[in-house]
Amino acid sequence: EPEVTQTPSHQVTQMGQEVILRCVPISNHLYFYWYRQILGQKVEFLVSFYNNEISEKSEIFDDQFSVERPDGSNFTLKIRSTKLEDSAMYFCASRAISGLAVYEQYFGPGTRLTVT
Amino acid sequence: AQRVTQPEKLLSVFKGAPVELKCNYSYSGSPELFWYVQYSRQRLQLLLRHISRESIKGFTADLNKGETSFHLKKPFAQEEDSAMYYCALSGYGNKLVFGAGTILRVKS
Repeated sequence: EPEVTQTPSHQVTQMGQEVILRCVPISNHLYFYWYRQILGQKVEFLVSFYNNEISEKSEIFDDQFSVERPDGSNFTLKIRSTKLEDSAMYFCASRAISGLAVYEQYFGPGTRLTVT
Repeated sequence: AQRVTQPEKLLSVFKGAPVELKCNYSYSGSPELFWYVQYSRQRLQLLLRHISRESIKGFTADLNKGETSFHLKKPFAQEEDSAMYYCALSGYGNKLVFGAGTILRVKS
């Protein structure tokens, strides 16, 4: 069964550094998402992406964040200048869509980002 | 505003006992409700969604619009059901809004 993959599984970076988290969604999916989960807190929506543009973003997704689909397979989340409070597990998700049908979101295993 | 509330952080039951994980939501339109499960060291995976009305691994959940609830139930818990369970809502925009999650521990 196809799966969403994410790399790296764990990223440690210093405050102020740029990080890029990578995701490979399931190949025939058209909607892509990033969520994050700070330790001990709920999973929070960051951004959704469809047809090569952001379709929705949360208040968390400020100018420090950006997403990109640089080729036909990867979907990346960039944080330009990391802060301590960016430390979290970041989940990528993707889903298919066909006509009016809405399908479930499939999640990747997550990237644990630690900002020191 | 879209909100999902799971009042219990931890639910501990004995094997064979009934399980009910509570979920209440707040949404002005017609939401889609989901239960996701995360087993130890594994990814989030869909357990069930209200629109399909099916039973997965013995779990069921009924959407009660009057009480704005979507509680997850299983008549007889098994040890392999031990996991983190998240209730989630998808409304306008199709993003998922998650509850805080409930850890289910099934003791032998």
